[in-house]
Amino acid sequence: SQTIHQWPATLVQPVGSPLSLECTVEGTSNPNLYWYRQAAGRGLQLLFYSVGIGQISSEVPQNLSASRPQDRQFILSSKKLLLSDSGFYLCAWGDRNYGYTFGSGTRLTVV
Amino acid sequence: AQSVAQPEDQVNVAEGNPLTVKCTYSVSGNPYLFWYVQYPNRGLQFLLKYITGDNLVKGSYGFEAEFNKSQTSFHLKKPSALVSDSALYFCAVRDRGNNRLAFGKGNQVVVIP
Repeated sequence: SQTIHQWPATLVQPVGSPLSLECTVEGTSNPNLYWYRQAAGRGLQLLFYSVGIGQISSEVPQNLSASRPQDRQFILSSKKLLLSDSGFYLCAWGDRNYGYTFGSGTRLTVV
Repeated sequence: AQSVAQPEDQVNVAEGNPLTVKCTYSVSGNPYLFWYVQYPNRGLQFLLKYITGDNLVKGSYGFEAEFNKSQTSFHLKKPSALVSDSALYFCAVRDRGNNRLAFGKGNQVVVIP
């Protein structure tokens, strides 16, 4: 079966520190992968998406970057976090039912 | 470009009463339509989808939605709301020509005991 793993679940980081969030998918190959940010428990903002290894599209210019070093691995990074990077980060993959399957999310608090 | 409108920020309903969460969409061609639910500090969970066929689709937890092409709507309904239905609900649409979903802003549903 297809599953998606996202970690960590919560993270508290100081301003200026680096960030690495990881997302992996099991049970499928060559998935489309997505990173979203959700502020204040409301709307979803698409940050990055990837259709294959090394292929990253950025939707919003920001302090973040993404990489896809392996087929089923998608990483969200930052060299120096800002307070405004706080939020709930969600990874998703384009599943076989034409929609998305989401990971459980990471709550990032920048202090 | 595809888009979704969820006009209400919050829907309040008494437990046992019918629940409706509204969604209208804009897409070129025939859409794929979805509803997702999100509980606090959790990822979005799939509820139901319309791909083709019967306009009335049934999903998880007793929810259903009706695809109305003339009104470009896909309202989510449940005949009798439960307190446990209190959550954030997202409508999404996908143009059959691409791989990306467009999400609405989300509706907070509050079911009052």
